Amino acid sequence: NAGVTQTPKFRVLKTGQSMTLLCAQDMNHEYMYWYRQDPGMGLRLIHYSVGEGTTAKGEVPDGYNVSRLKKQNFLLGLESAAPSQTSVYFCASSSPGQGMRGYTFGSGTRLTVV
Amino acid sequence: AQSVTQPDIHITVSEGASLELRCNYSYGATPYLFWYVQSPGQGLQLLLKYFSGDTLVQGIKGFEAEFKRSQSSFNLRKPSVHWSDAAEYFCAVGVTNTGNQFYFGTGTSLTVIP
Repeated sequence: NAGVTQTPKFRVLKTGQSMTLLCAQDMNHEYMYWYRQDPGMGLRLIHYSVGEGTTAKGEVPDGYNVSRLKKQNFLLGLESAAPSQTSVYFCASSSPGQGMRGYTFGSGTRLTVV
Repeated sequence: AQSVTQPDIHITVSEGASLELRCNYSYGATPYLFWYVQSPGQGLQLLLKYFSGDTLVQGIKGFEAEFKRSQSSFNLRKPSVHWSDAAEYFCAVGVTNTGNQFYFGTGTSLTVIP
């Protein structure tokens, strides 16, 4: 089925460990995004990309790095995980031609840092 | 700057009663407005969206929302709530000037009592 796929769905990390979250979309969307969701905070934008090889900071970028080497993939990296990064992470994609139409979210990755 | 306010953190209603969830936004241009619902441990499900035209928007599961430009509001309503409507509800503004970004409210948690 077409859409946005996030890997993994769940992960527990120890403080200081590193990991990469993978987001893949098969809709040929130019734009991709990483959001985090925390209780009482709604979703907040971490980083986004408007095309292959480009990335930009969102509202809460500190502690994260991203890469968009292929159009269909957007990677979110945590170099040294901290308990404050315990959250649910959502990836999304969209197309500039469609504006906000067709904006598609993945099902989320629940990350716990202990 | 764009922002979304959901003034009610938590609402409790009786099954069969009517429901209204409030949402106010701040945005300089005509906004793209959305309501999402999230059940515990689940991803986001789009209830409805407003892009232009008729200010009363119908969505899934019997929900509707009305865009009021003069009040900068986009309140969600349902005439008769079902127990299965218990969830977290998020209002969001979509902005297309830089890569199609969402700005989410902090959410309203709905409890439905028998």
